[in-house]
Amino acid sequence: DAGVTQSPTHLIKTRGQQVTLRCSPKSGHDTVSWYQQALGQGPQFIFQYYEEEERQRGNFPDRFSGHQYPNYSSELNVNALLLGDSALYLCASSSGFMETQYFGPGTRLLVL
Amino acid sequence: DAKTTQPTSMDCAEGRAANLPCNHSTISGNEYVYWYRQIHSQGPQYIIHGLKNNETNEMASLIITEDRKSSTLILPHATLRDTAVYYCIVRALSSNTGKLIFGQGTTLQVKP
Repeated sequence: DAGVTQSPTHLIKTRGQQVTLRCSPKSGHDTVSWYQQALGQGPQFIFQYYEEEERQRGNFPDRFSGHQYPNYSSELNVNALLLGDSALYLCASSSGFMETQYFGPGTRLLVL
Repeated sequence: DAKTTQPTSMDCAEGRAANLPCNHSTISGNEYVYWYRQIHSQGPQYIIHGLKNNETNEMASLIITEDRKSSTLILPHATLRDTAVYYCIVRALSSNTGKLIFGQGTTLQVKP
């Protein structure tokens, strides 16, 4: 049984560029949450997708957007990248938005 | 803001029990206590959660005080692979609380 998978594992971008990160949830899970983890900090909630809609959002600007597909996989898009967007981006899935979240290995983004 | 307080760091001898404390004095009646851990550069790993009764699984035990204002995660026989950052999170399971709020966590160093 595959767990949560994320791609790519690492990514390097330059300021102003756009990036798309991908997440496949654990089998049987229909809810995907995204988190940003800066170096030395705990993960910070970005948003959560359920039934292909954003149902909750953290304190992140509109440059951060997402999408969920009918097969429950999800994308995180970040526009106009800033140096401060360099972080580990984590995807977590759950079987319903109130259930236990299971995390993927993350995508490490470096913005130069 | 995180609703929990944890020591910044702890050491434990390999083979001994690791007892990680967490204070959550403002916890509400409908809030659960969740524990995750994060091994360096990996995604957080779910360990255990509970409401008011003590819980045990194959990884750990969770002891919640009767007034629910604090809890202790117990790793019964710590190994070097248990070295990680441990996060204690309180979370209400309602339609408005999909997110996990991470604090700084406790860095547990298991020593040979």
